[in-house]
Amino acid sequence: AQTVTQSQPEMSVQEAETVTLSCTYDTSESNYYLFWYKQPPSRQMILVIRQEAYKQQNATENRFSVNFQKAAKSFSLKISDSQLGDTAMYFCAVQGAQKLVFGQGTRLTINP
Amino acid sequence: SQTIHQWPATLVQPVGSPLSLECTVEGTSNPNLYWYRQAAGRGLQLLFYSVGIGQISSEVPQNLSASRPQDRQFILSSKKLLLSDSGFYLCAWSVRGTRYGNTIYFGEGSWLTVV
Repeated sequence: AQTVTQSQPEMSVQEAETVTLSCTYDTSESNYYLFWYKQPPSRQMILVIRQEAYKQQNATENRFSVNFQKAAKSFSLKISDSQLGDTAMYFCAVQGAQKLVFGQGTRLTINP
Repeated sequence: SQTIHQWPATLVQPVGSPLSLECTVEGTSNPNLYWYRQAAGRGLQLLFYSVGIGQISSEVPQNLSASRPQDRQFILSSKKLLLSDSGFYLCAWSVRGTRYGNTIYFGEGSWLTVV
């Protein structure tokens, strides 16, 4: 079984600041992948970044990067130079065999 | 490029009425297909997934069912809706063949309100 925990229900920062969203997970799979998805008010689920668990190097995607600590089963998302358009729900997810399991989400608000 | 469409976008149905949400994927073959539900203010719950025509795995016992009559078509159904079935339903797909690490892509979602 897989579980994902996001301990921050809501966060708020000023535009241009850096913000880190926390995520811990548990899985019995030996091979798995980790994802961060963004859900803006439109409700469309948008992939932000993905990390292969077998890779030690942290994934980066422009202003988005992750801090993957495999032993601690931690997968945090860092957003640098935050923008108003980053305002959304952010979901952490772990994928084992076929299934993608989500956390409860963190509502991030970027203030002007 | 691959696209995924689901409809209807919004639906208001009375308790006890049937339900049919449809989803189709274009631009790929033999995809894995998924139905997720998102209750208000909560995360996504996996309801069903399918690795092929007629192959459906159910994650949560409920009065919903899923079918895959064609390779790229996935249908979510109910014979009698309950108030608790209200929510946002998302269809999704991923590339089949590799067991792990296939990014899952989502449709636009369908709002269901049971009254």
